[in-house]
Amino acid sequence: LAKTTQPISMDSYEGQEVNITCSHNNIATNDYITWYQQFPSQGPRFIIQGYKTKVTNEVASLFIPADRKSSTLSLPRVSLSDTAVYYCLVGEGPGGYSSASKIIFGSGTRLSIRP
Amino acid sequence: GAVVSQHPSRVICKSGTSVKIECRSLDFQATTMFWYRQFPKQSLMLMATSNEGSKATYEQGVEKDKFLINHASLTLSTLTVTSAHPEDSSFYICSAQGRGLYSNQPQHFGDGTRLSIL
Repeated sequence: LAKTTQPISMDSYEGQEVNITCSHNNIATNDYITWYQQFPSQGPRFIIQGYKTKVTNEVASLFIPADRKSSTLSLPRVSLSDTAVYYCLVGEGPGGYSSASKIIFGSGTRLSIRP
Repeated sequence: GAVVSQHPSRVICKSGTSVKIECRSLDFQATTMFWYRQFPKQSLMLMATSNEGSKATYEQGVEKDKFLINHASLTLSTLTVTSAHPEDSSFYICSAQGRGLYSNQPQHFGDGTRLSIL
């Protein structure tokens, strides 16, 4: 399983862009990179997933360099409600129709947004 | 989007009681479901992986006779904490993963069950 390393905590202000970088040096060829957000006493919520280059959806962008040994979650114009723990996960498994990914959570990044 | 419902959200019971937690995928078929536990200020710890119709695979250190998992259908998995004791008090979270044609679908999580054993 590829281990992930991300900053323990980050602080920012409302309206700023926040970039959280995750290292996964041992990522395997078939692994996908997934980011989740978790609020206290709630289950993690899926944010974005990617394999390479750049992925963008309505809430975030995910940048993955060519070597795939790191990834950066970009949150545009954060608000107070973005205060949460963000987890970077690397999924194990060959992918495909009949396989399942076993994902191990790292320590996550505790993001605090101030007014 | 994919919705996973977990019930109950909170349980308070006496030591020695067995507690069942349900996890349902409401709008997709979950070929695999995962069970996690989380202590305050800590990350999620994977307890077991279950595939529909087969026995669950438990992580090292997790007692399978203590934490019974049943995944009888593509939309339902249950976790039963048998003869619960105060040290079993924790936040239990399930997730469900569907099946994509060419890639693994991301996991979708329930909102967790806060278990408190007195």
